[in-house]
Amino acid sequence: NAGVTQTPKFQVLKTGQSMTLQCAQDMNHEYMSWYRQDPGMGLRLIHYSVGAGITDQGEVPNGYNVSRSTTEDFPLRLLSAAPSQTSVYFCASSYVLDGTNYGYTFGSGTRLTVV
Amino acid sequence: GEDVEQSLFLSVREGDSSVINCTYTDSSSTYLYWYKQEPGAGLQLLTYIFSNMDMKQDQRLTVLLNKKDKHLSLRIADTQTGDSAIYFCAPWMGKLIFGQGTTLQVKP
Repeated sequence: NAGVTQTPKFQVLKTGQSMTLQCAQDMNHEYMSWYRQDPGMGLRLIHYSVGAGITDQGEVPNGYNVSRSTTEDFPLRLLSAAPSQTSVYFCASSYVLDGTNYGYTFGSGTRLTVV
Repeated sequence: GEDVEQSLFLSVREGDSSVINCTYTDSSSTYLYWYKQEPGAGLQLLTYIFSNMDMKQDQRLTVLLNKKDKHLSLRIADTQTGDSAIYFCAPWMGKLIFGQGTTLQVKP
């Protein structure tokens, strides 16, 4: 049982490049989310998904796309990287039953630098 | 919109109690979580409280919820150096929204 796996752990991009951050969970969780963490700003929600085929925007969705074709995977795509997207990105998943969320499990993060 | 506020820094001496406070704006939050983040690591779920509870105790941790004032607190008894970390308050509002995090510094 690996929990939530994020790849890569570190990445350096040039401005304008695109890339996909991978997130996979093996706990059959319905809910998955992407957050970015910046100093002094806590975690901000980028996109989230309540199940396969369903995604929605969070607080800071601009510049990012997501899809959820399977329960296990929730990739985050940067369309055209900008220095403002330099951050640590966390993927999380959670189990929800009858509207009760039993708490998110977080991946170990991807540290992205855009130069 | 949703908003969650925490003080940014708290310093205590080893063995003292620590109290980390959080205020939030969405009164419909059903669950309120506390997460801990150690340096260079992801977030670890510490504890949570249902919105119909006033208090929850879990070993050294005590969570107090004042729904009227939309105020949540986390008390850590007998704080240890291993408790040094960033603590995040996160109410569930159909999605999980985090505060800025409180850095707890524990001095020996």
